Amino acid sequence: DTAVSQTPKYLVTQMGNDKSIKCEQNLGHDTMYWYKQDSKKFLKIMFSYNNKELIINETVPNRFSPKSPDKAHLNLHINSLELGDSAVYFCASSQEGIEAFFGQGTRLTVV
Amino acid sequence: QKEVEQNSGPLSVPEGAIASLNCTYSDRGSQSFFWYRQYSGKSPELIMSIYSNGDKEDGRFTAQLNKASQYVSLLIRDSQPSDSATYLCAAINQGGKLIFGQGTELSVKP
Repeated sequence: DTAVSQTPKYLVTQMGNDKSIKCEQNLGHDTMYWYKQDSKKFLKIMFSYNNKELIINETVPNRFSPKSPDKAHLNLHINSLELGDSAVYFCASSQEGIEAFFGQGTRLTVV
Repeated sequence: QKEVEQNSGPLSVPEGAIASLNCTYSDRGSQSFFWYRQYSGKSPELIMSIYSNGDKEDGRFTAQLNKASQYVSLLIRDSQPSDSATYLCAAINQGGKLIFGQGTELSVKP
């Protein structure tokens, strides 16, 4: 049973399109995150939700909108995709103050 | 200044040697520290967590934390080619954010 699962694993799309990435965790954790990993492998935090409430919103374009229907799910919707959005996006979950578990990542390629 | 900093490497060690990975953090209020390993094309996986000053050992891995110096390290004893990966240092800062360093690429040569 996968603890943190993301779909899709690969996403290839054209500039200007809108796309969503879904994330689900079955660990009972209260906190979920979205990270972006660029080509240099740097993992940059984008958003953090605690019990469905947004608690961290880093400086990301408004085109990125997270949605948490319940504490086990955190989806990421991206509008008007740009070439620079190409990266690997990771979802993660944790219980407060302890280690985070990551999903398998979604490799987004914008062409 | 980045909140969590690591030498980006690459760090190359011969098989059987000790690999030493270092990390510093800027938020003195950080309480929880982690080392993740990431193989190419895979997601980060936790290998060590450390919360108090001193050493913590788990098999071939030893994490060291010095809060006064704001320094975290990871030692890998008897390094194996399968240890070749990027190692990510992370800290939960006072604001509750899990922040990562830029990662250190480790290469273990047979």
